[in-house]
Amino acid sequence: AQTIHQWPVAEIKAVGSPLSLGCTIKGKSSPNLYWYWQATGGTLQQLFYSITVGQVESVVQLNLSASRPKDDQFILSTEKLLLSHSGFYLCAWSWGDQDTQYFGPGTRLLVL
Amino acid sequence: SQLAEENSWALSVHEGESVTVNCSYKTSITALQWYRQKSGKGPAQLILIRSNEREKRNGRLRATLDTSSQSSSLSITATRCEDTAVYFCATVTGNTGKLIFGLGTTLQVQP
Repeated sequence: AQTIHQWPVAEIKAVGSPLSLGCTIKGKSSPNLYWYWQATGGTLQQLFYSITVGQVESVVQLNLSASRPKDDQFILSTEKLLLSHSGFYLCAWSWGDQDTQYFGPGTRLLVL
Repeated sequence: SQLAEENSWALSVHEGESVTVNCSYKTSITALQWYRQKSGKGPAQLILIRSNEREKRNGRLRATLDTSSQSSSLSITATRCEDTAVYFCATVTGNTGKLIFGLGTTLQVQP
């Protein structure tokens, strides 16, 4: 069975500080991977997707970047946090482009 | 840009009743997915219905898709308290894996 793990569970960070969020998929080789952001009480907005190692496509620019250093790992980062980065960050995977996306437990981020 | 949106912000029913959440979208799609998100958790897919399908069932759930009116519905029968969640529709276009989520409908199922 496939499992998806996100770290950390939650973060409180200062404006202007760097950020790195991680996501790992186990039990599935070469998955499509996605990052989403969700404001409190809001909808989900897809940020990035990746279909293979080293290849990441940006969907929405929020002064964030993403990388896929390994087949089963997806990293979301920024060098300088903004207040608007606060929210819930979700990683997801799928078998293919039009298939079900399976979401991780998420990372809650509060920027002060 | 494409927009998917549910037609109700919030719904409230009593256990055992049926409820329908509606969704409309603006452009051509290849598929539409319904997700449920419980408080503090990531969303979980309920049903995926492709553009050449008109209806899909999953247990107590039934989704319909009308591509001519660009709308979809998700019906839940015999609701339970554990159905309390936010329900999103999400549209799929092309082959990039891009999902456009609606704003969500909050469903409260009361005992």
